Order: sequence, then C-alpha cells, then structure tokens
Amino acid sequence: GESVGLHLPTLSVQEGDNSIINCAYSNSASDYFIWYKQESGKGPQFIIDIRSNMDKRQGQRVTVLLNKTVKHLSLQIAATQPGDSAVYFCAETGPTDSWGKFQFGAGTQVVVTP
Amino acid sequence: DTEVTQTPKHLVMGMTNKKSLKCEQHMGHRAMYWYKQKAKKPPELMFVYSYEKLSINESVPSRFSPECPNSSLLNLHLHALQPEDSALYLCASSPDVGNQPQHFGDGTRLSIL
Repeated sequence: GESVGLHLPTLSVQEGDNSIINCAYSNSASDYFIWYKQESGKGPQFIIDIRSNMDKRQGQRVTVLLNKTVKHLSLQIAATQPGDSAVYFCAETGPTDSWGKFQFGAGTQVVVTP
Repeated sequence: DTEVTQTPKHLVMGMTNKKSLKCEQHMGHRAMYWYKQKAKKPPELMFVYSYEKLSINESVPSRFSPECPNSSLLNLHLHALQPEDSALYLCASSPDVGNQPQHFGDGTRLSIL
C-alpha cells in the first residue's frame, strides 16, 4: 500500500496472539518478495523471502503467504512477543527490475500490548 | 549486531562541510547499496555497486558521491548538503545483485544544520 501523510498503518496485537500483516503489490511481473523488520534505531532486518513459484513458506514463528492472482502478500507471526514490536516492510522485485532494485511497501507499525 | 557496519552512527554537519559515511562488510558480498530513509517511510535506493563498479545511480544529486575502494568497503562522500538531506542513510550488501536478500547496517543518522 501507499503511505498517507506521516502516519504508518498500525497493527495493535495482544501478546501471545497471532499477527497478520498485509501487503499489496502492483507489478504482476514481480517474482521475488521479502519481508523486513525494522526496530527503532536499527536498520531493516531480513525475516523471510518467497519466490513466485511458491504460495507459502514457513520460518521460525513466521509464515509468508503469496497470492499472485490478487497480487497480495502477507506475513503471519505466531504467538506475538514484545520483541516483535517494530515496523514491517514488504519488498518486491522482478525481471523488470535489474541490479537488486526492490520496491518497498509503505510499512506497517506493529505494537504488541501486554 | 549486524554484519554490515556503518560509521559514524550519528553525524551533524553544516551545509558547507564535507564529510564521509563509511560502510564495511566481511561476508564476501559483491553487491553493496546506499539507501536514504526518512522518518516513517521505506528506504529509498540511491546507489548500487556490483563487483566494485557503480551499476545504478537513482538520479541522486551530485552533492552525494559514492565510492567503493574494495569489495568490503563502501563510502558516501557528502558536500554542500541541504537541510532536506537530513535522514537515516543505510548501507546494505548481498552476495550478488538480483533476487536475494539484502543485509542492512543500522545506518548513519545525518542532520544538516
């Protein structure tokens, strides 16, 4: 999605619940997708990636789902913990983007409440 | 701790100053990147180096001058910056360009007076 003004979309989640962060992308030719986590005062940290020949990939407590039909990507975090509080960015690239140029989404702020 | 190290962590400079940002990685990656990030926004690509050669310049003003002295180091030379250049400058690296994760440093927070 696109950012509006200076406010990031925010997802408030209770500790222990599952989180779902969504991302819409626009380039149907994109064939590689990444999720990054950025904590306050730090650089983006790679979480998980997925290629377009897959529709689901699982990591440790995280699952990425890709729906190419509607150009939608989601990140699911199981049993959300306080340390999961951060801004999450999706990013995409494809054969029309050369040299490692990723298109980043606007970001989602995840706030974990006790 | 990240495997991409950026120095300094913070930098305040006047509009007439010349300064440099430094980035180092020892993962054997052959692609390195500079990004600019404003508050509450995603990173914006500035430059891409592949095998120590500049591959992409995203129409960045000439007051920003990148340099790749060797495969482990990436510099960004700054001169005559404007207040709107105040931002977090991130360096990243990846094994090669293309469809693979980029590993980011924690950035240099730059303030232009």
